[in-house]
Amino acid sequence: DAKTTQPTSMDCAEGRAANLPCNHSTISGNEYVYWYRQIHSQGPQYIIHGLKNNETNEMASLIITEDRKSSTLILPHATLRDTAVYYCIVRVGSGGYQKVTFGTGTKLQVIP
Amino acid sequence: EAQVTQNPRYLITVTGKKLTVTCSQNMNHEYMSWYRQDPGLGLRQIYYSMNVEVTDKGDVPEGYKVSRKEKRNFPLILESPSPNQTSLYFCASSLSKSGANVLTFGAGSRLTVL
Repeated sequence: DAKTTQPTSMDCAEGRAANLPCNHSTISGNEYVYWYRQIHSQGPQYIIHGLKNNETNEMASLIITEDRKSSTLILPHATLRDTAVYYCIVRVGSGGYQKVTFGTGTKLQVIP
Repeated sequence: EAQVTQNPRYLITVTGKKLTVTCSQNMNHEYMSWYRQDPGLGLRQIYYSMNVEVTDKGDVPEGYKVSRKEKRNFPLILESPSPNQTSLYFCASSLSKSGANVLTFGAGSRLTVL
């Protein structure tokens, strides 16, 4: 299972776009990239996921590089409620080993 | 409402007193898993189950047991809890083991072992 690397912390001004990077250089062809966030000690909340193509939903956009070795989560207009720890993980698509590894994530602080 | 329910949400116990943390999902999900979260260590997978009667170890299974007798339930059993199992525990489930299916988490169970 591929490991991910994220910066420990980031700041973003309220109303601006927050761009959170993730490196997953050992990702396999059938592994999905997922993003979750955790506010305080609540259960991780699903944000978005993708395999190869860029994805967008009501919460965020996910940009995956062509070689799939890294990705960026974009929160288009960050609010104070987006202050949280953001986790980038990879999950195998089919068959295979079903361990799901979370790193320590990126602590995003949205500043007024 | 589709959800993963954990109980208890908070528990203080003493060393050696067996306890069970229950996890139940109402989404007919095949895949379920348990994680623990400790300061500075992120979430670490304890056990997972790909279907009824099919379970396997995650990264930190020592001191824990699980069972999957019914599709909706995946209890975490601490036969003889120790202080190093003081942690925040999360249960999660997804439709199948495929990474194409979103993993949904419960609200968490904070366990303190004295």
